[in-house]
Amino acid sequence: DAGVTQSPTHLIKTRGQQVTLRCSPKSGHDTVSWYQQALGQGPQFIFQYYEEEERQRGNFPDRFSGHQFPNYSSELNVNALLLGDSALYLCASSLQQHSAGNTIYFGEGSWLTVV
Amino acid sequence: AQRVTQPEKLLSVFKGAPVELKCNYSYSGSPELFWYVQYSRQRLQLLLRHISRESIKGFTADLNKGETSFHLKKPFAQEEDSAMYYCAPMDSNYQLIWGAGTKLIIKP
Repeated sequence: DAGVTQSPTHLIKTRGQQVTLRCSPKSGHDTVSWYQQALGQGPQFIFQYYEEEERQRGNFPDRFSGHQFPNYSSELNVNALLLGDSALYLCASSLQQHSAGNTIYFGEGSWLTVV
Repeated sequence: AQRVTQPEKLLSVFKGAPVELKCNYSYSGSPELFWYVQYSRQRLQLLLRHISRESIKGFTADLNKGETSFHLKKPFAQEEDSAMYYCAPMDSNYQLIWGAGTKLIIKP
């Protein structure tokens, strides 16, 4: 089991462009969450997907959107990129929505640099 | 708003010395609490959770509801403990609220 896999690992985009990041959850997991981690800070929750629907959302603008596919993989889309969107984007997966008893597994992240 | 404070950005101790990584949270309920660790060039991974009262790699964490703290402790630090440590309470929506992290450096 490869665990949570994310792609691409690194990318550079220009201000105003759009980006799509991809995530495959750990085998058997059906819930995916996305986090943004700026340099020197802890992860910030963006949103969570379960059964192909956005179930929860953090304090992020509508420029951040996502999707979950029937195979539970997920995409994070960011439109109209700003310099401040430069960060490590983490995907995390678990079984049947996050709960105190379920272990959340993280991917290695996608480093996005906006220039 | 719920908040997590890890007051030390950097903590440096000698091998064999005790380690305490501080975590304070502000939350009105009784959250479940977690510590995550990120070793160099590795992904974030769960270190321990309060609900299971487990001890992993010699680390323990005691919940003090009066002080709203969940400090991480280890009696004798090892070089392989050098890593980034994050305290993360879970809110009522089962979302983790992350601290800014403490970088632990174990000196030989």
